[in-house]
Formats: sequence, C-alpha cells, structure tokens
Amino acid sequence: RKEVEQDPGPFNVPEGATVAFNCTYSNSASQSFFWYRQDCRKEPKLLMSVYSSGNEDGRFTAQLNRASQYISLLIRDSKLSDSATYLCVVDKRNTGNQFYFGTGTSLTVIP
Amino acid sequence: DGGITQSPKYLFRKEGQNVTLSCEQNLNHDAMYWYRQDPGQGLRLIYYSQIVNDFQKGDIAEGYSVSREKKESFPLTVTSAQKNPTAFYLCASSAAAGNTEAFFGQGTRLTVV
Repeated sequence: RKEVEQDPGPFNVPEGATVAFNCTYSNSASQSFFWYRQDCRKEPKLLMSVYSSGNEDGRFTAQLNRASQYISLLIRDSKLSDSATYLCVVDKRNTGNQFYFGTGTSLTVIP
Repeated sequence: DGGITQSPKYLFRKEGQNVTLSCEQNLNHDAMYWYRQDPGQGLRLIYYSQIVNDFQKGDIAEGYSVSREKKESFPLTVTSAQKNPTAFYLCASSAAAGNTEAFFGQGTRLTVV
C-alpha cells in the first residue's frame, strides 16, 4: 500500500469555483502534513502546512482528520494562476524527517 | 540569498556511463534528500541523509549512490546499474527534526541518449 494516495484528477474548474482535494495516508504514526504546489517542469513549493485544528491562508483551507487518516485542501474563488499540480506530503518522522509525497492532483482553472 | 542549488539543470548521458548530480544548500539544514519524478508520477525517495557522514536508502536506491562529506553538499551518482535513469531529479533539505517542511532545488532533468 502506498504511503500517501491522492486522486490524480484532472480537475477542470471555471474561474471563481470552489474545488476540494483529498488525500489519505497509511501510517497512523505520521506527524506532519503539508500541501505543496508544483508547476509544470518546476520544483515543488510549499503551499501550506496542515495543522490538527485546521488552518486557513487566504483562499486556501487545509484540514486534517487523524482518525480517518486523511488530509484535505479547499480552494475558494479559483484563479487562473491556481492551475498547477497539488501534492499531499506526509512526514513520518521515524528517524528524523522522512517526507512521502502523493502522486499529485492536477488542477486547471478555465477562464 | 539562502537556498538550495542543483546543477546542471539539464544533463545528457550515454548508456553505460555514470553521472553525478550536484546539490548544495546554504540553509544550515542537517537533513538532505534525493527524489526522482517520472512524468505524471509523484516523487519517489532515492536516498536521504540526516547528518554528515551518514545516509540511508530510500524506496528506490538501486543503481544510485550518494555521499555526505559536508553538511552543505549531497551529490547523487546515477550509475550504469540504473536501468531506467531518464527522469527529473529533485534534491531537498530540511531541519533534522520538528514540524518543518522540505525545501527543493530547481531540479536536474537527466536524459539517457
């Protein structure tokens, strides 16, 4: 079983739409969670960390459900510039940090 | 500016040759990582190092080797034993412990010709 699983999409949404991505992880001992954004042929960049109580950064909201072992990302009022691949990342932290990445969910925002 | 630098950006290798990818960071991070990304795929962990002079195999270490002689540097050698080396290679670093994210270099695109 993969450490982290995501729906690859693609998600094609109109500007202004709200879109949600989910991700599940297999190791209940995982301690840190993140969403990264990756543009085509570029390196991943941190979008936001995910905290147990849930957190929001502008149009982006991240949620963590430890009991069900899933993480979500909600994007409100989608912009054309949000088009990218969104990667769910889990840090097992067995011996130091050890990051595991989902395959990513592709989002295209359409004018 | 603090950051993580990979070189070269593009690399072409003939079959049967070894090639070394460079990764340098000036973020004073203890931990460094190498990932491989294939088209339409997620990142897969090749090797990681939590401290100088120590490193561990990731999920797909076969055909690769690394060294960690300096805190700032974590070069990856793709050997001739790696049967399918064409991929996008990403180096990352992070603080060794705590709730901290990984920072990435710009990646090296390796093509076997």
